[in-house]
Amino acid sequence: DAKTTQPPSMDCAEGRAANLPCNHSTISGNEYVYWYRQIHSQGPQYIIHGLKNNETNEMASLIITEDRKSSTLILPHATLRDTAVYYCIVTYGQNFVFGPGTRLSVLP
Amino acid sequence: GAGVSQSPSNKVTEKGKDVELRCDPISGHTALYWYRQSLGQGLEFLIYFQGNSAPDKSGLPSDRFSAERTGGSVSTLTIQRTQQEDSAVYLCASSPLLWSADETQYFGPGTRLLVL
Repeated sequence: DAKTTQPPSMDCAEGRAANLPCNHSTISGNEYVYWYRQIHSQGPQYIIHGLKNNETNEMASLIITEDRKSSTLILPHATLRDTAVYYCIVTYGQNFVFGPGTRLSVLP
Repeated sequence: GAGVSQSPSNKVTEKGKDVELRCDPISGHTALYWYRQSLGQGLEFLIYFQGNSAPDKSGLPSDRFSAERTGGSVSTLTIQRTQQEDSAVYLCASSPLLWSADETQYFGPGTRLLVL
């Protein structure tokens, strides 16, 4: 079973920031938070991951709360091509369990 | 560099036939994973390889499913006597190491299998 809880769907206006939440209240101290997304008919695409500190790369930012029980993926300027299902995964090692994710719809 | 590739991209077969799905991981990646995604569903983990060995085969749905990896590179997933419920997208992923906490899996585009 997935160790994370995500809203099933979200909408975001094009050009605005998309903030996708994830709850992982049972996370262990050595488990990482990974984010992937899956655009229709494609394989999952890695976005970002982190352990304790906030992380940023060219795609997104990851904000992890101090108690590590939740996190937020931020797409700073969402485009129509960011419409996808976003998966939050908590794991140590490679035991990836994908839950249903959040279906993000970026609207023009 | 090249990413994970899978072939065929689409496969239509008749019930009862055997099928072979191929995965070419990123060069140098030690770990290789197979997942299945049924229509409208999430990803279901099937099996992983560390090098050529697959320590845990419990994720395979039935004994009709088998997988092998040779030379620490290419892997094939074989489904014998296919059933209609085997219809799904079969995804392969690879990562540099296995059981390292900070490793990222890179996915291929998948093989879409349809069993008629």
